[in-house]
Amino acid sequence: GDSVTQMEGPVTLSEEAFLTINCTYTATGYPSLFWYVQYPGEGLQLLLKATKADDKGSNKGFEATYRKETTSFHLEKGSVQVSDSAVYFCALSDPSNTGNQFYFGTGTSLTVIP
Amino acid sequence: KAGVTQTPRYLIKTRGQQVTLSCSPISGHRSVSWYQQTPGQGLQFLFEYFSETQRNKGNFPGRFSGRQFSNSRSEMNVSTLELGDSALYLCASSSGTSGEQYFGPGTRLTVT
Repeated sequence: GDSVTQMEGPVTLSEEAFLTINCTYTATGYPSLFWYVQYPGEGLQLLLKATKADDKGSNKGFEATYRKETTSFHLEKGSVQVSDSAVYFCALSDPSNTGNQFYFGTGTSLTVIP
Repeated sequence: KAGVTQTPRYLIKTRGQQVTLSCSPISGHRSVSWYQQTPGQGLQFLFEYFSETQRNKGNFPGRFSGRQFSNSRSEMNVSTLELGDSALYLCASSSGTSGEQYFGPGTRLTVT
């Protein structure tokens, strides 16, 4: 079945450090891949997405490239800020399945210290 | 466009009671999904509705049920509440065929 495996946290970085959060997936079809972010006390917000192999999703300085050969969708940011402190979720949607069920990773908590 | 709204935002209930949570999707979205989020289990899929029909269901007991109305608004109901049902319940909407889901702020349910 479909699943997402995400790097476990928590992750603590200093401001302006480089961020990588690893995400790999298993899917029967050709999924779309997403990164969501959750700030304390809020719901999930879509951060970026990629719908086919080699696509790069980007938003607010974050990037992730859909790598079919390694079934990965790692999240990166070159210089993190304190305001990036949040929980990040990798997710997939497999159009070969009935409906639009999403599969989420377990989430990675990021804390950025000044 | 207005985002996904969920009511109420906070609820406190006693074991054995039942509860109904409401979700209004983004205008034009026909798919609504529900998730339970807890510190121990993370995000767990409950069910998805599309055009008033349940399309997918997660691995939850029958105490958890839902429905969707003709205007795409959705409700979920939990009967005979247990302490372990304390969680943040998130609703998400999408256009339905595929593509990103947009989440509401959630309903925080506390069972005492």
